[in-house]
Amino acid sequence: AQKITQTQPGMFVQEKEAVTLDCTYDTSDQSYGLFWYKQPSSGEMIFLIYQGSYDEQNATEGRYSLNFQKARKSANLVISASQLGDSAMYFCAMREPSNSGYSTLTFGKGTMLLVSP
Amino acid sequence: NAGVTQTPKFRVLKTGQSMTLLCAQDMNHEYMYWYRQDPGMGLRLIHYSVGEGTTAKGEVPDGYNVSRLKKQNFLLGLESAAPSQTSVYFCASSYSGQGRRYTFGSGTRLTVV
Repeated sequence: AQKITQTQPGMFVQEKEAVTLDCTYDTSDQSYGLFWYKQPSSGEMIFLIYQGSYDEQNATEGRYSLNFQKARKSANLVISASQLGDSAMYFCAMREPSNSGYSTLTFGKGTMLLVSP
Repeated sequence: NAGVTQTPKFRVLKTGQSMTLLCAQDMNHEYMYWYRQDPGMGLRLIHYSVGEGTTAKGEVPDGYNVSRLKKQNFLLGLESAAPSQTSVYFCASSYSGQGRRYTFGSGTRLTVV
């Protein structure tokens, strides 16, 4: 079973509109972290936002916010006022302990966002 | 402030050849990771290390070996390359296993023909 599920292979949004990218996760651990990364066409991985499992408030970083619904195990990324430069692949990831006891980062398959003028 | 440096950036190998990808970090991070990225698959963990001299298997370790002889370096080896190992390889590092900061290298694009 996938630990991180991103159900939207691609999303389209017009410039200046808001967009929500979906992410659901599966874990039995109480302590975990959720991340969103952006990967533009140049290929680098850019950290956007982080939410800890014990954080009671939704994380925000500028135009990015994470809609954390713990009971539903969802961690959707909301981008407000989309810009052309937001066109990229977006990955949701979860940090949780592996079988060895050490924490590793597991990624979803990604959502390609295209922002149109 | 180099962060995480991967060498080489591009490489073409023939089936059966061997090569080593080097990852170097200058942030004194304990944890280092090797991922591969394939279209439609996201990033998948190959191997990781939680400190100098330690390594562990990730999700897709077959066909790869790793070594962490120095804290700042994490090497990924392909002993006998196969076309299925054509991928983009990313190295990452973090200070600990519980943090929120993972620093990624810029990637190595490997093609096996």
